[in-house]
Amino acid sequence: SQTIHQWPATLVQPVGSPLSLECTVEGTSNPNLYWYRQAAGRGLQLLFYSVGIGQISSEVPQNLSASRPQDRQFILSSKKLLLSDSGFYLCAWSVRTNYGYTFGSGTRLTVV
Amino acid sequence: AQTVTQSQPEMSVQEAETVTLSCTYDTSESDYYLFWYKQPPSRQMILVIRQEAYKQQNATENRFSVNFQKAAKSFSLKISDSQLGDAAMYFCARASGSARQLTFGSGTQLTVLP
Repeated sequence: SQTIHQWPATLVQPVGSPLSLECTVEGTSNPNLYWYRQAAGRGLQLLFYSVGIGQISSEVPQNLSASRPQDRQFILSSKKLLLSDSGFYLCAWSVRTNYGYTFGSGTRLTVV
Repeated sequence: AQTVTQSQPEMSVQEAETVTLSCTYDTSESDYYLFWYKQPPSRQMILVIRQEAYKQQNATENRFSVNFQKAAKSFSLKISDSQLGDAAMYFCARASGSARQLTFGSGTQLTVLP
């Protein structure tokens, strides 16, 4: 079956520390992958998307970066976290043949 | 920027009644899809309904239906016979672009009153 794993579920990090959030997909090949951020009480903002290994597109200039080292692995990183990086981060994937999307369960990041 | 706008931050409805959530969008593309997602307190994103832009017929899924007005770029969600479990944040979204990335509206918080 097609599933998506995202971890950790909750993370508290000090300002200036690094970040690595990981997302992996099972049951499909060559998916489109996405990272979204949701601030409290707000909509989802697209941060990065990827159509293939090593191919990353950024939607919003920021303190974050993304990488896709394997076909079904998508990583969100930061070298030095800012307070403004706090939020709820969602990974998602879609297949190229239709407009179906699957979301991960999210990571709640608090930068203190 | 191509945007999706939800002008109702909050809505409430009596149980068993009908409510309509509004959404307008902007796009220069002819091929796109529109979605309504539900986000309960667990924050899991749940697909409610989707509409292909090339289809004139409005999509329907049980108690959920849409009013898709392509020329007006309007995509409203109607929930009939509202249930307590319908209470959640509802997001309108448009998929377009090379990676079919989703652009979301700011959401409407729906409260269902018993």
